[in-house]
Amino acid sequence: SAVISQKPSRDICQRGTSLTIQCQVDSQVTMMFWYRQQPGQSLTLIATANQGSEATYESGFVIDKFPISRPNLTFSTLTVSNMSPEDSSIYLCSARDGPYEQYFGPGTRLTVT
Amino acid sequence: AQSVTQLGSHVSVSEGALVLLRCNYSSSVPPYLFWYVQYPNQGLQLLLKYTTGATLVKGINGFEAEFKKSETSFHLTKPSAHMSDAAEYFCAVSDAGGYQKVTFGTGTKLQVIP
Repeated sequence: SAVISQKPSRDICQRGTSLTIQCQVDSQVTMMFWYRQQPGQSLTLIATANQGSEATYESGFVIDKFPISRPNLTFSTLTVSNMSPEDSSIYLCSARDGPYEQYFGPGTRLTVT
Repeated sequence: AQSVTQLGSHVSVSEGALVLLRCNYSSSVPPYLFWYVQYPNQGLQLLLKYTTGATLVKGINGFEAEFKKSETSFHLTKPSAHMSDAAEYFCAVSDAGGYQKVTFGTGTKLQVIP
């Protein structure tokens, strides 16, 4: 199994600023993902982070708003750019080391004021 | 596209009572199905999964789920609730074959009453 850590665990940010969230996995994994979790709603996949290339974004999410990096097989970052209150959410990093099971980090709780 | 519906955003049970969390999926072919649990301020953890084979699947912490194709359901059960079971539970679905995109339900928050 993989253990995932995220930094920061929570933050309060002002409108118009950007925040970069870091995700570290304790072992090499084949796939890494970023999700958004809002109360009362499903986890929503933002993008798949691809090692050494551009991330693959889901419908409704764009690189300019959510730039993602994955420089190696254990680390990824998600930046939430030009934030607005609508970006207030929990952001989850996830990883797979096989065909089925996904592991999740504890999440980053973001509040935009 | 795959989807799951979880009936009941909040479920309350007494300690020692049966836990039943409902999940129905929408798919034209048998999918892979998952249940995840999320404790407060933690990430999601896989409870159990159905891929192929036996339709009754046993997971961690005494939970089990049964894949019923005729009912397009994958309900999660536990015979006797413990206080430590209080958490949010997510049903999820993917296409069969592995390495497929997983779609999550909206979650059911389980409250256990002493």
